[in-house]
Amino acid sequence: QVQLQESGPGLVKPSETLSVTCTVSTGSISGYFWTWIRQSPGKGLEWIGYIHYSGSTNYNPSLKSRVTISVDTSKNQFSLNLTSVSAADTAVYYCARLQPPNNRNFDYCGQGTLVTVSS
Amino acid sequence: QSALTQPPSASGSPGQSVTISCTGTSSDVGGNNYVSWYQQHPGNAPKLVIYEIRNRPSGVPDRFSGSKFGNTASLTVSGLQADDEADYYCSSHAGHNNFMIFGGGTKLTVL
Repeated sequence: QVQLQESGPGLVKPSETLSVTCTVSTGSISGYFWTWIRQSPGKGLEWIGYIHYSGSTNYNPSLKSRVTISVDTSKNQFSLNLTSVSAADTAVYYCARLQPPNNRNFDYCGQGTLVTVSS
Repeated sequence: QSALTQPPSASGSPGQSVTISCTGTSSDVGGNNYVSWYQQHPGNAPKLVIYEIRNRPSGVPDRFSGSKFGNTASLTVSGLQADDEADYYCSSHAGHNNFMIFGGGTKLTVL
């Protein structure tokens, strides 16, 4: 059973950078793909991007210019940075693992962290 | 507007079956076997209930089943129980750039 836990700032000002970290508390981050998904209040799910433990990434084209996902295998963590945020980025941010071996859906997911963009 | 189309709501009585549809295109749902379904109770994270069209993760009851015909995938919940009341989202792989796309979600009500 893989356990993931997001940690984030809760509140970010418009135009600033949103940073959220996911800690994989059981199991190793190595050997897998990890992903970020968000859900705006009362809305559906949106894929943000993924990272392989080796560091290779793939981002949603609609967010690509503002997103960076990084991994720190020594801490069993991966992180999301989203720059130039606006109210439209207010959402619950979930971290998850892509299900091996095909890595086309996620199987384990954190409980999510709400990030509100407001001045 | 979501990339995949789901009905906003569905309902059924305890013990009955209900089917939720998910319609895409030949570039996503119709073009590969990577359709998955997630159950989300209010305030909780999404939980995987079906992957690769019809496979159930360990621990998901066999009352949940998936299928696909053409560009439309379906989730059927049989023997409805009160705890099945939740939002259900479909997802499909759609290539490297549109790696994971979702439906708008269906609110399942157990009457």
